Amino acid sequence: DGGITQSPKYLFRKEGQNVTLSCEQNLNHDAMYWYRQDPGQGLRLIYYSQIVNDFQKGDIAEGYSVSREKKESFPLTVTSAQKNPTAFYLCASSIGLEQFFGPGTRLTVL
Amino acid sequence: AQSVTQLGSHVSVSEGALVLLRCNYSSSVPPYLFWYVQYPNQGLQLLLKYTSAATLVKGINGFEAEFKKSETSFHLTKPSAHMSDAAEYFCAVSDQGGKLIFGQGTELSVKP
Repeated sequence: DGGITQSPKYLFRKEGQNVTLSCEQNLNHDAMYWYRQDPGQGLRLIYYSQIVNDFQKGDIAEGYSVSREKKESFPLTVTSAQKNPTAFYLCASSIGLEQFFGPGTRLTVL
Repeated sequence: AQSVTQLGSHVSVSEGALVLLRCNYSSSVPPYLFWYVQYPNQGLQLLLKYTSAATLVKGINGFEAEFKKSETSFHLTKPSAHMSDAAEYFCAVSDQGGKLIFGQGTELSVKP
């Protein structure tokens, strides 16, 4: 089955730690995206990549980093510089205008 | 800059009643518009999209939306609500570079 997978589903982090969220797609899509979702705020774009080895900052990139070494993979690292990282993180990929979403990772800082 | 406003963060309807979720957009170019649905702790699923073809767009699960340029609106409707429609709904506009700008979401509750 084609689709987008995110792992882990739940992630707990201590303050001061970096954590990496995985996003993999087998849809052969060129573009991939990371969003952060907080209650009542919709989805906000963190980073996006339209092609391998290239990515751009979204609206809320501070405290996050990404890489795009393979077409299928777009991992997101939440660094200790992100002051309020507790949120639901969604990865998406697209071909054309329609975006397809993964199931999400819920990150909680303890 | 493009933006989306969803009127009402929470809408409650009775089972069998009309569902109306409101979305207004701002765009300096002809917009591409989307409605997504999200069930608890899951990703988003596309309900329907407007890409400058027919102004009345039919989607999955009996939902439809009408693009009204004069009102800059793209409201989502369903004639008869089911309990399974309870979820959060997001309206989004594309910036034509592929990025989506989302509204803040509307949570739909369906009462038996």
